[in-house]
Amino acid sequence: AQKVTQAQTEISVVEKEDVTLDCVYETRDTTYYLFWYKQPPSGELVFLIRRNSFDEQNEISGRYSWNFQKSTSSFNFTITASQVVDSAVYFCALSSRGSTLGRLYFGRGTQLTVWP
Amino acid sequence: ETGVTQSPTHLIKTRGQQVTLRCSSQSGHNTVSWYQQALGQGPQFIFQYYREEENGRGNFPPRFSGLQFPNYSSELNVNALELDDSALYLCASSPPPSGVTYEQYFGPGTRLTVT
Repeated sequence: AQKVTQAQTEISVVEKEDVTLDCVYETRDTTYYLFWYKQPPSGELVFLIRRNSFDEQNEISGRYSWNFQKSTSSFNFTITASQVVDSAVYFCALSSRGSTLGRLYFGRGTQLTVWP
Repeated sequence: ETGVTQSPTHLIKTRGQQVTLRCSSQSGHNTVSWYQQALGQGPQFIFQYYREEENGRGNFPPRFSGLQFPNYSSELNVNALELDDSALYLCASSPPPSGVTYEQYFGPGTRLTVT
């Protein structure tokens, strides 16, 4: 079975603070993909990143960075120097070769609020 | 923007009615997946269509049905609407499998309210 857990329901920070969103996943498949999506109030899911299970390199993209650790089944997302525009719901998701083509299993999301 | 469009944007229906939601996939994409996102929850997979056939289904009753057309656009039909069907319905399209990854590109969603 595939499962994604985002234990943090809501996080509030003040602008310029760093914030880390946690994601823990479960799967028995050896080939799988992990994703992060951003959902602003408009509702559309905005793709942020995809990692495959064979690539544990951390990635940095501007103020965003991701830490993938297979040993702890975690794929955490850090925003450095947060901005008000980062306020949104963030979803971690999992897709594996063992399931329907590309089917995504989402966590419940973390509502991030960045105050000015 | 992903190039995936959905209509209508918002919809209000009464319990017991039927509804049809539409999705136009991105050019070149032959797979469409539908997700239901209840308030405060993550999206839940309803089903997927690949080459006009249902290719997988989540834990949703048969009153949720779908179609995919030769141009790969898709419809989601829900019969006998219940209050719990109130949600944001998201459509995602995917390109032919690359053997490496299965990208999904989401549309803006249709917000359905059942009263």
